[in-house]
Amino acid sequence: AQSVSQHNHHVILSEAASLELGCNYSYGGTVNLFWYVQYPGQHLQLLLKYFSGDPLVKGIKGFEAEFIKSKFSFNLRKPSVQWSDTAEYFCAVFPYNNNDMRFGAGTRLTVKP
Amino acid sequence: SAVISQKPSRDICQRGTSLTIQCQVDSQVTMMFWYRQQPGQSLTLIATANQGSEATYESGFVIDKFPISRPNLTFSTLTVSNMSPEDSSIYLCSVYTLGLGGNEQFFGPGTRLTVL
Repeated sequence: AQSVSQHNHHVILSEAASLELGCNYSYGGTVNLFWYVQYPGQHLQLLLKYFSGDPLVKGIKGFEAEFIKSKFSFNLRKPSVQWSDTAEYFCAVFPYNNNDMRFGAGTRLTVKP
Repeated sequence: SAVISQKPSRDICQRGTSLTIQCQVDSQVTMMFWYRQQPGQSLTLIATANQGSEATYESGFVIDKFPISRPNLTFSTLTVSNMSPEDSSIYLCSVYTLGLGGNEQFFGPGTRLTVL
């Protein structure tokens, strides 16, 4: 079945550590890709998105993601995390063949001060 | 961009009853969706609300349980029918816009439903 996979269910890091969260999808054709963050008790917030052009996209709060088409991946990165980055992170894919948005299961990030 | 409002923002309901959630968008949009986010989980697509025709439901969701209306390009309703405690969740209305500046999905504030 077509899907969006986030491999890490829960990641625990110390402050200043580097972060990489994996996201793979199985849809063919043209896709738009997104990362959302959800802080405890809050709504979804868009971190960054890719729809065309440079496969390395930069988002808010120092996050970036790289689209690797051959690997069907869109991994999220941040060189140095902060305690305030503690949140749930969701990868989402909009496949033009389906015309709807699909979310990964989410990765909970805990940053220890 | 699109601004989405939902009513009610939250409700506590008794088992066996039904609740209708309204979604209003400040502009005409083609693609409108309903999602569910259960506690501690990701967003699950319930259905695509189609203007002028029946909604398209995802696997595991049926029209009898989650009837959807979409009378025009700015409004939709989702009804959660014959509720059980397992239906306790946040229900989100969402739209997807295609634009020269990029495509983006916007979410409503959500309706937090608790079923006793």
